Amino acid sequence: QQQVKQSPQSLIVQKGGISIINCAYENTAFDYFPWYQQFPGKGPALLIAIRPDVSEKKEGRFTISFNKSAKQFSLHIMDSQPGDSATYFCAASARGSTLGRLYFGRGTQLTVWP
Amino acid sequence: DVKVTQSSRYLVKRTGEKVFLECVQDMDHENMFWYRQDPGLGLRLIYFSYDVKMKEKGDIPEGYSVSREKKERFSLILESASTNQTSMYLCASSPQRTSYNSPLHFGNGTRLTVT
Repeated sequence: QQQVKQSPQSLIVQKGGISIINCAYENTAFDYFPWYQQFPGKGPALLIAIRPDVSEKKEGRFTISFNKSAKQFSLHIMDSQPGDSATYFCAASARGSTLGRLYFGRGTQLTVWP
Repeated sequence: DVKVTQSSRYLVKRTGEKVFLECVQDMDHENMFWYRQDPGLGLRLIYFSYDVKMKEKGDIPEGYSVSREKKERFSLILESASTNQTSMYLCASSPQRTSYNSPLHFGNGTRLTVT
C-alpha cells in the first residue's frame, strides 16, 4: 500500500503564483520528510527536508509546512518561476528502519506558465 | 560533487533477452538502490544493497536480480525481459550505513524499452 500519498498529480501555475503540493502519511514512526525535485532527463535531487519537531522550514522561495497531528506535510513554492517546472516527490523515512529507506509519493508534475 | 553514473541512457531490448543495467558511484557510498519510475506510479524500489555482496528486496523485486561485487558498482539484471518492464530505471546511492537522513544521490536514469 502507498505509504505516502501525494496530491495533486499535476499542477499548472502562472508565473509569480504560489504552488502547493500536499502529502499525507499514516506511519507514526516516520521522522524525516524530504522533498525531491526532478527536471526532465535528470534524476531526482534533494530540494528541502524537515523533521517533525518543527512545523515549518523555509529555504528561499521553498517552504515545507508540517502538521504532525494531521500527519500531513506540504511544499509551498512562492513566486513560482518557469524554471521551477519539474516533477516533485515527497518522501518519508522511519527511525530505526533498514538504511533509513525512503518511501516516495507518486509525484506532482508542476508547470509554471510565463 | 557526488556522481552516480548509469552506463546507458537509452536501451532497447527484445522480449526474453537478459538485460544488464550498470550503475557506478564515485563517493565510496555504502548504500545503493535501484528504483523504477513510471508515470503516475512514482518511484518504486526494486532492490537495495548496504554492503558488497549484500542485497535486500524492495517493493517490486519480481523479475529482477542484482549484483554488487564491488562497493562502487551495483548492477540490475532482468533475467528474461518482458514488455511490462519497459520503464525508466534510476540508480541511487547514499553514505553511512546506519544514518537514516543521508540524502539519496540519483543517476540520470536508463530508459529501457522491451519490444
